[in-house]
Amino acid sequence: SQQGEEDPQALSIQEGENATMNCSYKTSINNLQWYRQNSGRGLVHLILIRSNEREKHSGRLRVTLDTSKKSSSLLITASRAADTASYFCASLGRFGAGTRLTVKP
Amino acid sequence: EADIYQTPRYLVIGTGKKITLECSQTMGHDKMYWYQQDPGMELHLIHYSYGVNSTEKGDLSSESTVSRIRTEHFPLTLESARPSHTSQYLCASSRGLAGAPGNEQFFGPGTRLTVL
Repeated sequence: SQQGEEDPQALSIQEGENATMNCSYKTSINNLQWYRQNSGRGLVHLILIRSNEREKHSGRLRVTLDTSKKSSSLLITASRAADTASYFCASLGRFGAGTRLTVKP
Repeated sequence: EADIYQTPRYLVIGTGKKITLECSQTMGHDKMYWYQQDPGMELHLIHYSYGVNSTEKGDLSSESTVSRIRTEHFPLTLESARPSHTSQYLCASSRGLAGAPGNEQFFGPGTRLTVL
């Protein structure tokens, strides 16, 4: 992909479980962002983590960044059916391939 | 809900037709972008603009063209549509360069194009 790879490509969990998605990127970054896309719609910005930060929280979201490994992870805790969507990491307007998350009620 | 709009939402046309996909935003953002996305796949940047009279090609070669005559408007044109152009086209804008703090991208709902 243009920027990196998300892992896994698809994830299916039960409501209430935690979901972890990983992103590896190719080039050095200043910041990394995570976006969410509901089926067939535009993307919505979730959270930005700066290159000098290791972890950031926003509600049920926790993002980590390891610049030495060029990787980031997004953790959604206590998942809900409404969290079903695709999740993308992005840097400088370039996006990864995304992880398709399905949360079963 | 972001103040960025795309029309039409769905378009089915025949091969060889000229089409223009409209994108407008009311946030006064300088930076605007067009992405192409096949269902369930990654986004490919095809065009972007730093401001009025600025247009740049993105990472994915595209037969489309864009213009930026007004800050709020960033239309994408296909002179002669082909079945290979069938895809979803997403427009986005940001206050500053995408990726910097405070410059998150806002996306429109997309135009799903089918060329027969």
